[in-house]
Amino acid sequence: QVQLKESGPGLVQPSQTLSLTCTVAGFSLTSYNVHWVRQPPGKGLEWMGVIWNTGGTRYNSALKSRLSISKDTSKSQVFLKMNSLQTEDTATYYCARDRLGDWGQGVMVTVSS
Amino acid sequence: DIQMTQSPSLLSASVGDRVTINCKASQNINKYLNWYQQKLGEAPKLLIYNTNNLQTGIPSRFSGSGSGTDYTLTISSLQPEDFGTYFCFQHNSWPTFGAGTKLELK
Repeated sequence: QVQLKESGPGLVQPSQTLSLTCTVAGFSLTSYNVHWVRQPPGKGLEWMGVIWNTGGTRYNSALKSRLSISKDTSKSQVFLKMNSLQTEDTATYYCARDRLGDWGQGVMVTVSS
Repeated sequence: DIQMTQSPSLLSASVGDRVTINCKASQNINKYLNWYQQKLGEAPKLLIYNTNNLQTGIPSRFSGSGSGTDYTLTISSLQPEDFGTYFCFQHNSWPTFGAGTKLELK
């Protein structure tokens, strides 16, 4: 059974770095791509970036300077790091597999002092 | 970046209605267009991938069509569980979502 689960801090201070983990089960990160998508409260979805099964990455151009996605295939984990957080980065962050057919439950991150 | 213009932003309909939601891309996206349904407090659910392919487990009342820059999601006969917000998503290049269509009970 395919599963994805995001984890990370619920509260981050402005200007700090956000670190999230997506732990997957039921498939191998060497065979499938994993995307990160976020959604501010009451708003739409924003594609953030992807890590390919090969390990390559592609990022949303609006976030590229602040965003990094990596993975540890042996631990079945994908990592998101985004620096210089601001209040507008408050959102639910999701990881999703491949063509965004399988999603995690999401993790709510609030940026506030 | 490719812009996705989704319409309408709000759609009021009744059970049994046939409804359509549209997405227009700012350039040709070669049918790399997915549709998602999202309910409050839940992750989005994939309905249709690559314009007209029904995701496993999705009822056949959902269908997709389109080409080039213009794409449509159709629900042939609206059911009570279909109310929610729908998003299109292009993955031809530098993926982007549409702004969403909230489908509400009339």
